Amino acid sequence: AQSVSQHNHHVILSEAASLELGCNYSYGGTVNLFWYVQYPGQHLQLLLKYFSGDPLVKGIKGFEAEFIKSKFSFNLRKPSVQWSDTAEYFCAVNAYSSASKIIFGSGTRLSIRP
Amino acid sequence: DAGVIQSPRHEVTEMGQEVTLRCKPISGHNSLFWYRQTMMRGLELLIYFNNNVPIDDSGMPEDRFSAKMPNASFSTLKIQPSEPRDSAVYFCASSLEGPRNEQYFGPGTRLTVT
Repeated sequence: AQSVSQHNHHVILSEAASLELGCNYSYGGTVNLFWYVQYPGQHLQLLLKYFSGDPLVKGIKGFEAEFIKSKFSFNLRKPSVQWSDTAEYFCAVNAYSSASKIIFGSGTRLSIRP
Repeated sequence: DAGVIQSPRHEVTEMGQEVTLRCKPISGHNSLFWYRQTMMRGLELLIYFNNNVPIDDSGMPEDRFSAKMPNASFSTLKIQPSEPRDSAVYFCASSLEGPRNEQYFGPGTRLTVT
C-alpha cells in the first residue's frame, strides 16, 4: 500500500532562515507528487506538484521541491522563510494507477519566529 | 467560482445525535472527496466519488458513517449516531477526474460531539 512519511512534525525557524521539509513515499511505480499548505484556520491549498520532466519544480510563494526517484523523496525547500509562511505543510502522493485518490502525509507544522 | 462550499462551518451536538455535513463541489468537477482531520490521525481520506459514484470508501471508520452524492452538485456525509471520538474537522474537496488534477478544498466543518 502507498504511504507518505513526513519525519519532521514541528519545525521552528527564524525569519530569513532556509527551509527544507522532508517527504518520502513508498510506491515503486509512477507517481504524482504534491505539496499542500494549510495556513492557520484555513483550508488546504496547493503549493506545487510534480508529474514528470524536470525533477526540480517551482511553486507559489518562492517554494520549490526536488523529486529524487532513487530516494523516493520529494523534499520541499525555500531559501528564505517569512513569518507569513507559518502553516502546516502536507506532502501527498498519487499512484498513477489509483485514479484520483491521493494519500497525504501526517503534515509538518512550521513556526516562524519574527 | 465560489470554490467548494461546506455547511455548516461549525457543529456542536450531543452524543447519539445524527449529524449531516454538506458539500457543494466546484461546478464542472467530477471527483469529490471527504476527509477528516484530527491532531492524532492527521488528514484521512474517508471516501471519494467519481461522477457521483462512490469509488473507494475504505476510509469510512464504521457503519455509523455514510456518504451520498445524489447529483453532481451536492454531497452529504452523515454520522448516526455520533460519538465524542468523531469530533474533528471534516473537509470536502473536489477536482477534475484523474491522477494529476489538483484537489480544491472547502473551508471545513468543525464538528464537536459532547
